[in-house]
Amino acid sequence: EAAVTQSPRSKVAVTGGKVTLSCHQTNNHDYMYWYRQDTGHGLRLIHYSYVADSTEKGDIPDGYKASRPSQENFSLILELASLSQTAVYFCASSAARGPNERLFFGHGTKLSVL
Amino acid sequence: SQWGEENLQALSIQEGEDVTMNCSYKTYTTVVQWYRQKSGKGPAQLILIRSNEREKRSGRLRATLDTSSQSSSLSITGTLATDTAVYFCATEGTGGYKVVFGSGTRLLVSP
Repeated sequence: EAAVTQSPRSKVAVTGGKVTLSCHQTNNHDYMYWYRQDTGHGLRLIHYSYVADSTEKGDIPDGYKASRPSQENFSLILELASLSQTAVYFCASSAARGPNERLFFGHGTKLSVL
Repeated sequence: SQWGEENLQALSIQEGEDVTMNCSYKTYTTVVQWYRQKSGKGPAQLILIRSNEREKRSGRLRATLDTSSQSSSLSITGTLATDTAVYFCATEGTGGYKVVFGSGTRLLVSP
C-alpha cells in the first residue's frame, strides 16, 4: 500500500513566525501536492511538484512556499504565519498528473496559528 | 469556482439504509473521482468513473456520471456505521492537469 507520512501531526504557531510542514512518500511517485482543508470545506491546492528541485503554484499559493529536495520529500513553508492560515494541511502523491490519477494522502497536519 | 455547491452538506441515516450523494460541477470533465475521508484521516479514493461509463460499481458503491447535466452521484447500499465519513467528489481543474475537490457531503450512519 502506498504510504505518505506527514510531520508534525499538529502544530501551534505564533503569528509572524515561520512554519515548516514536512511530507515523505515511499510510493516512488513523481507528483506530490499540498492541499489545505478548512472546516466544512473541501481541499484546495496550494503547491505541487513533479520533479525534485522544482515546484509549481496551485490555486491558492499566496503566503506559502514549497520545497522538493528529493523525489521522496516535499515541504510546505509559511514564512510569516497568519491567523488565516489556521487549517488542516494534507500532502498527497500520485504516479502521474491529471484527473485520472489516484491521489494518495497523508493523515494531515493540523495547524493552529495564534 | 467550478462547483455548483460550495457548502458542506450533511446527511444522517440509520444503519442498513441506502444513501445517494450528489455533486454538480460547472466546468467540463471526462472523469470524476469519489473520495472518502474518515475523522482524523486523509481522503482515500473509493471509485473513479469516466464519461464513457455512465455507471460504475464497486462492492456496495455505485457511481454515476452525467456529463450533459454536469453531475455525478455516489450511492451506498446497506450502509454500515463504519461508512460514517465525509465524501468528496473530485474532477479536472483548469487546464485539465490537476484534481480539484468539491466541498463534500458529511454522512453520519447511526447503528
